[in-house]
Amino acid sequence: QSALTQPASVSGSPGQSITISCTGTNSDFGGYNYVSWYQQHPGKAPKLMIYEVSNRPSGISNRFSGSKSGNTASLTISGLQAEDEADYYCSSYTNNRGVLFGGGTKLTVL
Amino acid sequence: QVQLQESGPGLVKPSHTLSLTCTVSGDSINSGNYYWSWIRQHPGKGLEWIGYIYYTGSTYYNPSLKSRITMSVDTSKNQVSLKLSSVTAADTAVYFCARVPGGDRFDCWGQGTLVTVSS
Repeated sequence: QSALTQPASVSGSPGQSITISCTGTNSDFGGYNYVSWYQQHPGKAPKLMIYEVSNRPSGISNRFSGSKSGNTASLTISGLQAEDEADYYCSSYTNNRGVLFGGGTKLTVL
Repeated sequence: QVQLQESGPGLVKPSHTLSLTCTVSGDSINSGNYYWSWIRQHPGKGLEWIGYIYYTGSTYYNPSLKSRITMSVDTSKNQVSLKLSSVTAADTAVYFCARVPGGDRFDCWGQGTLVTVSS
C-alpha cells in the first residue's frame, strides 16, 4: 500500500482537461513543497513532468501543470492528446522516510 | 546528453544477493552536482524508492529496505552499484537507476532491468 493515494484511473477525451490527485498526510509531504509527477508509458522508464509542486523541466509542454493545497497535490493536463495516455505517479520527499511514491493513475484518452 | 544503463543478472536465487550496476555516460559522477538513486517497480505495480548515493559514498536508504541494501560508487568507472541481500520472490522487479538533481526528484532514468528471484 502506497503512502500517497492516487485514483486508479482517470479518462478524458482529446482536447479536454483532466486532473489527477495525490493525497497524503502532513508527514507524507514532510512539510516541504517537494512534490513531483512522472509519466510512464508501457515498457518505458518514468519521465519527470513536474517538480517542486508546479515547476516544469525544460522540454515539458505547458499543458502539464501542478498544484498543491493542504495535503493534496494535483496534476492537470489540458488539451488532452492521445500521446498523454500513460501511467502517472506522484512523489514526495520526507526527511525521515526519503522519497514516497503514489500508487499510480492510469490515464485513458477516449 | 547523460545516459544511464543498468546491468546485472536477470535471475537470482532466493536467499542470494542481487547485484546491479548503473553506468553513467555524458556526465561525471564525481562532479558533485547530483545524487544517484535506485528505484524499483514490481511487475504491474507502482514505483518504490530504494536509496540514494553521493559520489563521496554518502548514502540514504529506504528505511523499509535498509537492513538489506548496500550502495556503492566507483568514480573511476563512473558507476554506481546496488546490492540487495537475502532476496525473495517479493524482490522480483524492474530496477531503475536515476539521476537526482535535488533530493526530491529524478530527472534522468535508465531503461531499467528486470530481475527475477526464482530457484
